[in-house]
Formats: sequence, C-alpha cells, structure tokens
Amino acid sequence: GNSVTQMEGPVTLSEEAFLTINCTYTATGYPSLFWYVQYPGEGLQLLLKATKADDKGSNKGFEATYRKETTSFHLEKGSVQVSDSAVYFCALTQIQGAQKLVFGQGTRLTINP
Amino acid sequence: DAGITQSPRHKVTETGTPVTLRCHQTENHRYMYWYRQDPGHGLRLIHYSYGVKDTDKGEVSDGYSVSRSKTEDFLLTLESATSSQTSVYFCAISESGRQETQYFGPGTRLLVL
Repeated sequence: GNSVTQMEGPVTLSEEAFLTINCTYTATGYPSLFWYVQYPGEGLQLLLKATKADDKGSNKGFEATYRKETTSFHLEKGSVQVSDSAVYFCALTQIQGAQKLVFGQGTRLTINP
Repeated sequence: DAGITQSPRHKVTETGTPVTLRCHQTENHRYMYWYRQDPGHGLRLIHYSYGVKDTDKGEVSDGYSVSRSKTEDFLLTLESATSSQTSVYFCAISESGRQETQYFGPGTRLLVL
C-alpha cells in the first residue's frame, strides 16, 4: 500500500540556518505530493504541493521537488525564522477518485533565536 | 481561512459511552473527511464523504460511524468509546476529490477515561 516516511524529529535549528526535512514515499501510480504545516494549537495548512514528476512546489520560502527516480519530496528552506517553528507533514494522494491523503508521521521543528 | 468549525473542541468521556463530534463548513464543498492524529502516526483517515448521504471508509474506520444529512455537516460517532480512541480529531474539506487542497478544521481533543 501507499506510505510516506519522514525523517525522525524533533529538529532544532538556529535562526537563519538551512533546513532540510527528508520525505520519501511508496505508492502505486503517480501520486500528488504535499507538505502540510501545523502551528501550535491549530489545524493543518497546506504549505506546498506538486502533482507530477520534476514539479517544484514553493511557498513562504519553502521548496520541494517531486523526484520520481528517488521517490522523494524533501522540504528545504534557505534561512529559517523563529516563526517557522511547527510540525511539518509530508503527504501523498492518488491521482484519481476521492483524495485520500496518506501522511507521514510528522517532524517537529523548533527554531531558536 | 476556510469556514470550518468543529464541536466540541475538547471532550472528556468514559469508556463505553457514545460520543458524537460535529464538523460544520460554510464553503459548500462536496468532500468532507475525518482524520485522527496520534503521536508517531501522523494523521490517519477514518471516514470520508463525497456528497450528502454518500460516505466511505478510510484506513482506521473500526469503531467509528459517520453521517452526512446536509452538505454543511459531517458527524463522527464513536458508538462505545474506548481508551484507544483518545486522540485529536480533525475534519477536512475539499471542493473536489482530485488533487485539490484539503482545508482542515481546528481539531477536537478527545480523552476517553
């Protein structure tokens, strides 16, 4: 079945550091890939998405590229801020039918000033 | 922000009692979803709906039932709550099934004693 594996957390960085959160997936067919973010006490928000191989999703300085050959969708940001502290979820969905999201376990990110 | 509310936001109940959680949307979206969030598991789909009176099971549907009698409301019922159902429950909506962004509600924290 479909699955998503994220790097283990928690991750702690200093402000302005470079961020990478690894995400790999297993899926049949050609899924769409997503990164969602959950700020403390809130629901999830879509951060970015990519719907086909080699697509790059980007938002708020975050980027992720859909790599079919390595089945990966790693999240990167060049210079993190304290306000980026949150839990980040990688997810996939099948291209047809109801959009049943399959999530990774989440990675908690803390940015220190 | 998408107009999604969940009620109650917090609930404590005892094993064996029935519990109903409500999700209400003002966006007139066709698809509605119930997820549970547990440490180490990310979010997992319980049930979803693709229209009034049209529902289907997700990954972890045992012990849960749902109903959707109006476009705007999606109810999740635990017929006889167990301690393993202690979790945070999120409702989500999407306009269509295919690759569309899902918008999440604020969550309901349920504790079953």
